[in-house]
Amino acid sequence: EAQVTQNPRYLITVTGKKLTVTCSQNMNHEYMSWYRQDPGLGLRQIYYSMNVEVTDKGDVPEGYKVSRKEKRNFPLILESPSPNQTSLYFCASSPPPGTRRDNEQFFGPGTRLTVL
Amino acid sequence: DAKTTQPTSMDCAEGRAANLPCNHSTISGNEYVYWYRQIHSQGPQYIIHGLKNNETNEMASLIITEDRKSSTLILPHATLRDTAVYYCIVRGDNYGQNFVFGPGTRLSVLP
Repeated sequence: EAQVTQNPRYLITVTGKKLTVTCSQNMNHEYMSWYRQDPGLGLRQIYYSMNVEVTDKGDVPEGYKVSRKEKRNFPLILESPSPNQTSLYFCASSPPPGTRRDNEQFFGPGTRLTVL
Repeated sequence: DAKTTQPTSMDCAEGRAANLPCNHSTISGNEYVYWYRQIHSQGPQYIIHGLKNNETNEMASLIITEDRKSSTLILPHATLRDTAVYYCIVRGDNYGQNFVFGPGTRLSVLP
């Protein structure tokens, strides 16, 4: 089944303890992106990647890192999480340019992170 | 800043058509209108998109005014499972361009 998967789905952690949220897609998509969703603020883009080894900042990149060593995976890294990073996180991907539906984004199920 | 304006919430009776409006008066010539929905904190789901012609697919219809300053998403026979937040997004056609999600319209389909 074509899908975007995220792990973990739920995580409670403490301030300063490094964590990684994984994102994987099995659709050979080139574009991948991370969003966070907070009440009243909608979805805001954190980082995105146009292809392997190509990443760039979105609207709210502070406190986050990403890597794109292979096409299918795009992990989100919080080196020193803080309570203001408590949020619902979504990973998304898009098909390669020039293909059908290349302007749509396919979203993962979300990761609910709580930083105490 | 959001490029679209949508009502905060709407109700619709089950089995009736749900018409969700969206204003995008500053849309430029190469920008598309996209609709996504999000059911109870799940990942947003693509519904439909269009440039200037009306579009229809298995989920919905999209009606775009001739001046392209507004559009309406139509769910022809709403069911309880259509209860969700619906996002209207204006976006250019450059590959990888960010989708800017505003607060959307919370649609409640009532039995």
